[in-house]
Amino acid sequence: QLQLQESGPGLVKPSETLSLTCTVSGGSISSSSYYWGWIRQPPGKGLEWIGSIYYSGSTYYNPSLKSRVTISVDTSKNQFSLKLSSVTAADTAVYYCARRPAKLVPVDYWGQGTLVTVSS
Amino acid sequence: DIQMTQSPSSLSASVGDRVTITCRASQGISNYLAWYQQKPGKVPKLLIYAASTLQSGVPSRFSGSGSGTDFTLTISSLQPEDVATYYCQKYNSAPGVTFGPGTKVDIK
Repeated sequence: QLQLQESGPGLVKPSETLSLTCTVSGGSISSSSYYWGWIRQPPGKGLEWIGSIYYSGSTYYNPSLKSRVTISVDTSKNQFSLKLSSVTAADTAVYYCARRPAKLVPVDYWGQGTLVTVSS
Repeated sequence: DIQMTQSPSSLSASVGDRVTITCRASQGISNYLAWYQQKPGKVPKLLIYAASTLQSGVPSRFSGSGSGTDFTLTISSLQPEDVATYYCQKYNSAPGVTFGPGTKVDIK
């Protein structure tokens, strides 16, 4: 059974960089059949796609966040990571890592999510 | 960019009622539309994809319809365990997805 698990600091100071890692177990991140991505949800609000990465390293970002987002992959560790720079309180959210098949199919696996709070 | 809207934003209905939620895309997306259920503090759960295909294990009281720009999610007989927020999601391009703003469903 595929599992995704987010890890990283739960508290980040304003203007600093948020860094999270997603560890994939029960499947290979090197498969050409999937994109691996990040989705966030501010408290009490809706879901927002942040960006995705293919095993080859090709990246795709939400235009509204593109200038601040970097997603990378480490196939040797079966992990992918998110960096979001210059954070503000508006970036406080539950961050989910997720898998989406490379064909036109919706997101099919989600991590449990991790709350990141931006506060001094 | 294609925007997704949902209506209503919230609803309250009695157990056994038929509930309908509408999702609209600002441009046609064929049938590349999914519905997710999210209970408080939980991960979104895929209910329906391809506008009308029920995900394995999802109760048959859930159904979806539509194509192009207008879609509906119907719960034929609302149950207490259906209290949740429901999101539509378009996935007509890869890998980005866009979600609707959500519809919160409560029991009256």
